[in-house]
Amino acid sequence: DVKVTQSSRYLVKRTGEKVFLECVQDMDHENMFWYRQDPGLGLRLIYFSYDVKMKEKGDIPEGYSVSREKKERFSLILESASTNQTSMYLCASSSQGPYEQYFGPGTRLTVT
Amino acid sequence: LAKTTQPISMDSYEGQEVNITCSHNNIATNDYITWYQQFPSQGPRFIIQGYKTKVTNEVASLFIPADRKSSTLSLPRVSLSDTAVYYCLVGDNMGRRALTFGSGTRLQVQP
Repeated sequence: DVKVTQSSRYLVKRTGEKVFLECVQDMDHENMFWYRQDPGLGLRLIYFSYDVKMKEKGDIPEGYSVSREKKERFSLILESASTNQTSMYLCASSSQGPYEQYFGPGTRLTVT
Repeated sequence: LAKTTQPISMDSYEGQEVNITCSHNNIATNDYITWYQQFPSQGPRFIIQGYKTKVTNEVASLFIPADRKSSTLSLPRVSLSDTAVYYCLVGDNMGRRALTFGSGTRLQVQP
């Protein structure tokens, strides 16, 4: 079975802190994605990557950056966390085309 | 990317068949239709994908009319464990573009 793991299930950070969210997949998938999910808004795509060192902006990239140095790992970085970045963050991976995405368990981030 | 429209919520009872319709009027020739299911506190899970006519797997069926401007996810004989949010997505399976998840349909199954 495909496994997508995220570094933390729950995280509490202070405003202005730099935050790293790590995602690792074990199926040699080319594509990896970061989403945030907020009540009433569904999932919104932040960034995605279709190859090592490649990245593309999604619908809401402002305030975020990403890093993909190895195929299996995709990191989401909040350079200076703000309270409006309090959310559930979901990582996903897929092979060949974005369709059958496999999601991690999510990280619930609270910025105070 | 083709925009999708789904009902915000639906209610059903155990044992009934549930049909959730998604409209995608601007679907392109190369676009596929995919449905995901999400339980609380979990990431979405792929259910089914189709291009035209009908697709069936062990979980659901997907009906796509000839004009492909809509699709219907059919869940046979739902149980309480089918209570979840269901997302309809439309996009090109060939390129490297990501898909857009909408707000989904919240299905509540009652005993």
